[in-house]
Amino acid sequence: GDSVVQTEGQVLPSEGDSLIVNCSYETTQYPSLFWYVQYPGEGPQLHLKAMKANDKGRNKGFEAMYRKETTSFHLEKDSVQESDSAVYFCALSSSGGSYIPTFGRGTSLIVHP
Amino acid sequence: GAGVSQSPSNKVTEKGKDVELRCDPISGHTALYWYRQSLGQGLEFLIYFQGNSAPDKSGLPSDRFSAERTGGSVSTLTIQRTQQEDSAVYLCASSLNSQETQYFGPGTRLLVL
Repeated sequence: GDSVVQTEGQVLPSEGDSLIVNCSYETTQYPSLFWYVQYPGEGPQLHLKAMKANDKGRNKGFEAMYRKETTSFHLEKDSVQESDSAVYFCALSSSGGSYIPTFGRGTSLIVHP
Repeated sequence: GAGVSQSPSNKVTEKGKDVELRCDPISGHTALYWYRQSLGQGLEFLIYFQGNSAPDKSGLPSDRFSAERTGGSVSTLTIQRTQQEDSAVYLCASSLNSQETQYFGPGTRLLVL
């Protein structure tokens, strides 16, 4: 079945640091890839997405490139801000097979001032 | 437009009681999902509805859990004979179809004493 792996459970950068949050996936289908962000006390919300290989999702200074050759969708930002602190979930939705999206375990981003 | 709404926001119940959680999806969204999120954890899939098709109940943890979706719109998740381990945030999400962005509600925080 499909799988999404986020290797870091928590990331603790300082404000102004660059950021990479890793996401790798496995599927036999042609997925759409998503990053969702969840703030305390709220449900997750779409942060950015990429629908096909070599697409780049962008939002609020964050970027993620859909890399089919390495089956990755890493979330990157040049300079994080304290307001970026949240939990980030990587997810995929396949074009065939299971109709249930697959989520990673989540990465808690805590940006220190 | 209106997003996904859930009620109640919070529910405190005693062990052994039944609870009903409600989800109002975005109008026109044919796909509806229920997830469970324990404190500091990821998203655990529970059940998926797509249009008038039979729901995918593969994520329900026990036969104490059931859900229905009336008229292709509002959904209720019922937990019978609640246990303390049922305490969690129950999230509902809807999407245009299974490959598209999921829109989450704010969740219902269930505490079983």
